[in-house]
Amino acid sequence: GAVVSQHPSRVICKSGTSVKIECRSLDFQATTMFWYRQFPKQSLMLMATSNEGSKATYEQGVEKDKFLINHASLTLSTLTVTSAHPEDSSFYICSARDLSRVIEPQHFGDGTRLSIL
Amino acid sequence: AQRVTQPEKLLSVFKGAPVELKCNYSYSGSPELFWYVQYSRQRLQLLLRHISRESIKGFTADLNKGETSFHLKKPFAQEEDSAMYYCALWSYGQNFVFGPGTRLSVLP
Repeated sequence: GAVVSQHPSRVICKSGTSVKIECRSLDFQATTMFWYRQFPKQSLMLMATSNEGSKATYEQGVEKDKFLINHASLTLSTLTVTSAHPEDSSFYICSARDLSRVIEPQHFGDGTRLSIL
Repeated sequence: AQRVTQPEKLLSVFKGAPVELKCNYSYSGSPELFWYVQYSRQRLQLLLRHISRESIKGFTADLNKGETSFHLKKPFAQEEDSAMYYCALWSYGQNFVFGPGTRLSVLP
């Protein structure tokens, strides 16, 4: 079964709206979570690393004021796309690191398909 | 720097034919290699990890450190194998690095 829950699975909203996406680890504590973006027919691109209790680490080229990340607890990280525009439309995937499971150290959520009109 | 390459964006084979999805990596240490599969509109799922040496859904992959490769193979492809396949590299304390992916299309 799923060990990482991502919500919502799909969002359609108007340009200028802020959208929050939640990522929860269900049966383990995740001090580190990751946010990826996936364009159609392309690979996952790491946007940022979310660390519980501290600021997120953003990859080069990712606007931290645009993509706000909060990791306030050991089981929840949120990504807020602020003032979203059509170019922000994409598939966003979170994952959570579980260092207790060496063989599968990272579990992925189902993803959130964001469509900005 | 860590890097994963998958030279084929699209691979089409007929049902029952053998299939090999290529993956090469560059990393100075001893990474862990994984294959992930993403079926249409579904989550990314772990297919194989090199340290377990399992065969999942008939797929196998062998890590060749000399050639820095981790090719995914299946002797007889099935239509339900059609999906996106991502090779990924990970090292303890580092982030996952994904290859660009190969779309496998198994034709009837």
